[in-house]
Amino acid sequence: DAKTTQPNSMESNEEEPVHLPCNHSTISGTDYIHWYRQLPSQGPEYVIHGLTSNVNNRMASLAIAEDRKSSTLILHRATLRDAAVYYCILRVPFGSSNTGKLIFGQGTTLQVKP
Amino acid sequence: SAVISQKPSRDICQRGTSLTIQCQVDSQVTMMFWYRQQPGQSLTLIATANQGSEATYESGFVIDKFPISRPNLTFSTLTVSNMSPEDSSIYLCSARSTGVDGYTFGSGTRLTVV
Repeated sequence: DAKTTQPNSMESNEEEPVHLPCNHSTISGTDYIHWYRQLPSQGPEYVIHGLTSNVNNRMASLAIAEDRKSSTLILHRATLRDAAVYYCILRVPFGSSNTGKLIFGQGTTLQVKP
Repeated sequence: SAVISQKPSRDICQRGTSLTIQCQVDSQVTMMFWYRQQPGQSLTLIATANQGSEATYESGFVIDKFPISRPNLTFSTLTVSNMSPEDSSIYLCSARSTGVDGYTFGSGTRLTVV
């Protein structure tokens, strides 16, 4: 399984943008880049995913490097409720022997200061 | 997206006994997975629960220790057998629906073995 590398922790001020980086230099051409977050005492929550193009949804934006070896999750205005562990995950395509499973790395713990 | 209910939410068990954790999804899903999360750690995939056939286990996990059932498209169970204190962890169920972008996770079962 292709691996991702993220900083262990990051800090942000409330209402400022946050850029969470992820390196995935061994990504294959068909791996999807997924981001999940885990709030304290909860299961992980889907944030966003993409393949090649940048993506936006109501929660965040995902910027994918042209060579796909790295990506950045962007929270446009951090709130205290965004304090969580953020996981960058490479998901193999469905129909492969790995059945689209998600393999979690260590993630980035985001602290948001008021 | 699907909503997952896990039971029990927590339990304290004696070593040598077994505990069965239930995962109920409110809609039919194509894939279901079981994870373990030890305190302060990331999620580790135990197995993919296959409907109507034997689960697919990840390296380091075996059927005798973690038998899994998936009798239909909305329900799965994970049994932690012959428990020891090292099995104390949070166990999470996850599911994916066709045509839905993200995977859904339950809130987890917090297991303490004494």
